[in-house]
Amino acid sequence: GNSVTQMEGPVTLSEEAFLTINCTYTATGYPSLFWYVQYPGEGLQLLLKATKADDKGSNKGFEATYRKETTSFHLEKGSVQVSDSAVYFCALKGNTDKLIFGTGTRLQVFP
Amino acid sequence: GAGVSQSPRYKVAKRGQDVALRCDPISGHVSLFWYQQALGQGPEFLTYFQNEAQLDKSGLPSDRFFAERPEGSVSTLKIQRTQQEDSAVYLCASNPDRGFGETQYFGPGTRLLVL
Repeated sequence: GNSVTQMEGPVTLSEEAFLTINCTYTATGYPSLFWYVQYPGEGLQLLLKATKADDKGSNKGFEATYRKETTSFHLEKGSVQVSDSAVYFCALKGNTDKLIFGTGTRLQVFP
Repeated sequence: GAGVSQSPRYKVAKRGQDVALRCDPISGHVSLFWYQQALGQGPEFLTYFQNEAQLDKSGLPSDRFFAERPEGSVSTLKIQRTQQEDSAVYLCASNPDRGFGETQYFGPGTRLLVL
């Protein structure tokens, strides 16, 4: 069945460092891919999405490219801020309406 | 406009008690989803409604879990005879309509602790 695997955390970075959080997926057909973020004490928010191969989703300086050949959707940001500290979830939506999430990666950014 | 709201935000139940969790989706949203998020894990799908019709309940872990959306807006997730393993955050999400790639908007969740 469909599944998402993302790197375990926590990821600990200094402010202005480069961020990569890896995400790979297994799915039949052509899923849509998402990154959701959960800030401390808040609910899940959509960060970015991509609906077909080679699409790049971007928002708030974060980017992820839908790579069908490597079944990946890695999240990147060139220069992280303390305010980016949160838990990041990679997710896919296949030919049903439900989202399938990875286990989440906690990012901690220190000044 | 208002987002997805859930109540209560926190619920403590004794093992064996019944609980009811409420979700108010964004007004006009056709689809409504329930997810269960255990500590340190990603959300896991429980059930899905399109208007008042429950189209998928494959994620409900046992027959103690029951969800309804009788008028196609507010939804209630009921858990009967709660067990300690039911302790989790229960998330509700809605989206405007069925559609490939449609964004789901999440509520803040109800944190359930079963003692």
